[in-house]
Amino acid sequence: QVQLQESGPGLVKPSETLSLTCTVSGGSISRYYWSWIRRPPGKGLEWIGYIYYSGSTNYSPSLKSRVTISVDTSKNQFSLKLNSVTAADTAVYYCARGKGDNSGFYYGVFDSWGQGTLVTVSS
Amino acid sequence: DIVMTQSPDSLAVSLGERATINCKSSQSVLYSSNNKNYLTWYQQKPGQPPKLLIYWASTRESGVPDRFSGSGSGTDFTLTISSLQAEDVAVYYCQQYYSTTLSFGGGTKVEI
Repeated sequence: QVQLQESGPGLVKPSETLSLTCTVSGGSISRYYWSWIRRPPGKGLEWIGYIYYSGSTNYSPSLKSRVTISVDTSKNQFSLKLNSVTAADTAVYYCARGKGDNSGFYYGVFDSWGQGTLVTVSS
Repeated sequence: DIVMTQSPDSLAVSLGERATINCKSSQSVLYSSNNKNYLTWYQQKPGQPPKLLIYWASTRESGVPDRFSGSGSGTDFTLTISSLQAEDVAVYYCQQYYSTTLSFGGGTKVEI
């Protein structure tokens, strides 16, 4: 059973860069798509972007100018960087895996999630 | 971008009764080449991450109770809980993966 765990600072100052890492255990990061998703307080889920294990990425257009997602297959980790943050970026951030089976690997069906980590943007 | 709209925002259902949640996409999420609807449903309980319930609009994820079912095609979809249990209290989200820009509905809160 694959497990995902987010890690990183819980408090980031406005205009600085939010950095989170997702560590994958119990399975390989290879062959799958890996996403970051967030949920602002009192709001719904927002997809941030995904990375394929090979390194190709796709980002939400609304965040594309500020987001970078990277992968380190040797450490079974992938990471999120969001720069120039504001209070609107305060949210619980989740990492998630795209479902994969004998039929294929799907970037848009999230079958495993981390527990989530709250990141607050405040001075 | 594809906009996903859920209704209602919240609903209260008695134990053992049926709960129905609707999801509408701003454009079709039916891929004609394979006749599949690129639509998922998730359940999120307080303090927990979302849990995958349904994909391809109607395929239940392994381990999901059969009281959960998904239906619909094109732009209109429904998640039905046939007999609500206390543990089903949660927020439910639909999400499309037809477009490479993924998008979620706003969520529907189900209460007893």
